[in-house]
Amino acid sequence: GAGVSQSPRYKVAKRGQDVALRCDPISGHVSLFWYQQALGQGPEFLTYFQNEAQLDKSGLPSDRFFAERPEGSVSTLKIQRTQQEDSAVYLCASSLALGGEAFFGQGTRLTVV
Amino acid sequence: QKEVEQNSGPLSVPEGAIASLNCTYSDRVSQSFFWYRQYSGKSPELIMSIYSNGDKEDGRFTAQLNKASQYVSLLIRDSQPSDSATYLCAVSYSSASKIIFGSGTRLSIRP
Repeated sequence: GAGVSQSPRYKVAKRGQDVALRCDPISGHVSLFWYQQALGQGPEFLTYFQNEAQLDKSGLPSDRFFAERPEGSVSTLKIQRTQQEDSAVYLCASSLALGGEAFFGQGTRLTVV
Repeated sequence: QKEVEQNSGPLSVPEGAIASLNCTYSDRVSQSFFWYRQYSGKSPELIMSIYSNGDKEDGRFTAQLNKASQYVSLLIRDSQPSDSATYLCAVSYSSASKIIFGSGTRLSIRP
């Protein structure tokens, strides 16, 4: 596709519900990043893939967060048993090469009520 | 200590003037440096990348990198009201390849 596509754009979840956020990167981009952005803050790193390999998941805040990219293209970020503190914008970005320019999707705004 | 530091602002600059945004980073092995612009309610948009010491110019934007001082800056010439946004500095660390962001500087261009 022309750009990084994320879905859904908005998600309202009841506390305790599981959610899945999807990211479709730019075609041919091998690196894929997930970030969490709270209001007034910069994006906080969550995890990173190179093709299907998850090379760094040091930013995932708890074991309720899980990400996968099984075929090296589309990625899913799953949050189990959502809590109010999980409310944020979740951003996905992809880049063509290691250390290269990363381009962001529109983000998914998650609100946990 | 946060790995990428920016002054949160707001930085107020008159229209037509030069806006200067600064960023410092902590890891000496950093390889790639990026500036993103983020409008309220939108996702970050890449405006500049720089990989080696010195200046890199693209239209009204100039990125400056000084690896010895661990400092990267963005200059915006002939500032326009449409430049009002939050500017995010980002750094890629070669050892881990993840891209780390600062908290952003809010820039306001006053007519």
